[in-house]
Amino acid sequence: EIVMTQSPATLSVSPGERATLSCRASPSVSSNLAWYQQKPGQAPRLLIYDASTRATGIPARFSGSGSGTEFTLTISSLQSEDFAVYYCQQYNNWPPLTFGGGTKVEIK
Amino acid sequence: EVQLLESGGVLLQPGGSLRLSCAASGFIFSNYAMSWVRQAPGKGLEWVSAISGSGAATYYADSVKGRFTISRDNSKNTLYLQMNILRAEDTAVYYCATPGWYRPFDHWGQGTLVTVSS
Repeated sequence: EIVMTQSPATLSVSPGERATLSCRASPSVSSNLAWYQQKPGQAPRLLIYDASTRATGIPARFSGSGSGTEFTLTISSLQSEDFAVYYCQQYNNWPPLTFGGGTKVEIK
Repeated sequence: EVQLLESGGVLLQPGGSLRLSCAASGFIFSNYAMSWVRQAPGKGLEWVSAISGSGAATYYADSVKGRFTISRDNSKNTLYLQMNILRAEDTAVYYCATPGWYRPFDHWGQGTLVTVSS
């Protein structure tokens, strides 16, 4: 089973600042990694797939990078609607499909 | 527009059984794999099961193997999850999502809550 580890668990950021979220895979997942955003009471929404490709309709302030075992989601300038929980997920080697534990981005 | 609508979530006792449904529209259902993903209260996302577009191939998380069965009716554009021998730890919101077959989950339903408690 591929283990996905996200850090930090909680990130406190002021609106307008940059947020950097990390995801580590063990073992490697190549570039087969996605990022999702989830707000309270809502289903997850796909932000980034194939490690760095923005999904349809996702603003350019969201960017993904990395390959192999180390990945990063960057939100360049946090807007009020970006405060949420973010999950990474690998689809390289399964079953099982596996998710990270999530990073909560909260208002500082 | 792709729409996924889950139903069937209820409160039931440990050891009970339940079938969840997910009605799909806005895409050619039989062309796409489908999955169930669950989220326990206040916890993260856990993949539960996947089924190929034809229904010929199915996969399960170890935590549900032997108790849950995924199936689909392509004539009705509907995905199912038969859940047996339910445990308290199965309490979660259950989402259907697609495709998830060596691809990310582009689309998710709104979820249905299953509560297992005595």
